[in-house]
Amino acid sequence: GQQLNQSPQSMFIQEGEDVSMNCTSSSIFNTWLWYKQEPGEGPVLLIALYKAGELTSNGRLTAQFGITRKDSFLNISASIPSDVGIYFCAGPLYNTDKLIFGTGTRLQVFP
Amino acid sequence: DAGVTQSPTHLIKTRGQQVTLRCSPKSGHDTVSWYQQALGQGPQFIFQYYEEEERQRGNFPDRFSGHQFPNYSSELNVNALLLGDSALYLCASSSQGEGGYGYTFGSGTRLTVV
Repeated sequence: GQQLNQSPQSMFIQEGEDVSMNCTSSSIFNTWLWYKQEPGEGPVLLIALYKAGELTSNGRLTAQFGITRKDSFLNISASIPSDVGIYFCAGPLYNTDKLIFGTGTRLQVFP
Repeated sequence: DAGVTQSPTHLIKTRGQQVTLRCSPKSGHDTVSWYQQALGQGPQFIFQYYEEEERQRGNFPDRFSGHQFPNYSSELNVNALLLGDSALYLCASSSQGEGGYGYTFGSGTRLTVV
């Protein structure tokens, strides 16, 4: 099935470091969503972006909607152990509620 | 306020068997979507139910079918199970038209086909 490409695939960082990850698509999206999934749980929505160029923050998380509408970026500042999980970007196909998910970025934070 | 509830949490089935998974949406939500998440992959959209009808469908064979009840709860049925059907099945609820913005996911049902 169709998926968005995320990079990096995985990250191993030390507590306190900043993290950057991105998501790219061959198609334009009008909405970009960032989810976090922890082991044994479903994805939880972190940030939603609705306009090209938009920059939105949620605590230590900041996400940007790329100008081309084909990409999005997520930054986590001053990482802590509870940031561990898999981060997915997602976007709804045009005029539908059908979400297309990225391949995920697995984040490990070491104390 | 209960979120999305899925049952069972884990299930083991044999190839060729049939399985039914259940989902109760978050209070106030009327739309249920089902996703399949294979190990190491992002979730893949199966279908969406609203007003007891299938409204949208992803690229899944007819072996995958569903149902929505008047209380908005939903079932996912998979017939003639294949080994490749082993995955985490996620239910997501939303208000109609707001799924792209307000999905709430359940914790999923882990299906293993042997």
